[in-house]
Amino acid sequence: AQKVTQAQTEISVVEKEDVTLDCVYETRDTTYYLFWYKQPPSGELVFLIRRNSFDEQNEISGRYSWNFQKSTSSFNFTITASQVVDSAVYFCALSDMTGYSTLTFGKGTMLLVSP
Amino acid sequence: SQTIHQWPATLVQPVGSPLSLECTVEGTSNPNLYWYRQAAGRGLQLLFYSVGIGQISSEVPQNLSASRPQDRQFILSSKKLLLSDSGFYLCAWGLRESEKLFFGSGTQLSVL
Repeated sequence: AQKVTQAQTEISVVEKEDVTLDCVYETRDTTYYLFWYKQPPSGELVFLIRRNSFDEQNEISGRYSWNFQKSTSSFNFTITASQVVDSAVYFCALSDMTGYSTLTFGKGTMLLVSP
Repeated sequence: SQTIHQWPATLVQPVGSPLSLECTVEGTSNPNLYWYRQAAGRGLQLLFYSVGIGQISSEVPQNLSASRPQDRQFILSSKKLLLSDSGFYLCAWGLRESEKLFFGSGTQLSVL
């Protein structure tokens, strides 16, 4: 069975601080996808990134970066120079590669960025 | 471009009443469709998914059912709501080859 653990329930930072959201996963599949989604107060989940299990290169997109380490089954997400607009709940998710996108989500981390 | 519509945005229903939530997708054909539920303080739980008209897979046995009467329409139903059915319901669509899901704006259901 698949499992995603986001141990941080809530994180509070002050604007311009860097913050890392942790994600640890469990799966018996040898190939899989990892995702991060953002859920702002409006409620709609917004896709941030998808990662293949066979590609361990770290990725950077503007102020966002992701550190995928297969050896520790972790897929951490860092926001550099956080902004108030980054305040949201962030979900890490895992799916197999069957094509049906039956994602297993973590419980989410609520990030509060204060001015 | 593709869009997903989900309604209503909020719903308050008494225990024992029926439920019908509707989701439609525009701008794509033969999408995979999904219903997720987000209970208070918990992560998202997959309820149902569908890979085609009339094809429904249930992930969690419960008081709810789903139907897909048309290619881009996905309906979540219940004959008699329970208090435990309260939560935030999200519809999503995806294409088989991309594994990426696009979510609707959600329905906040309160069963009283």
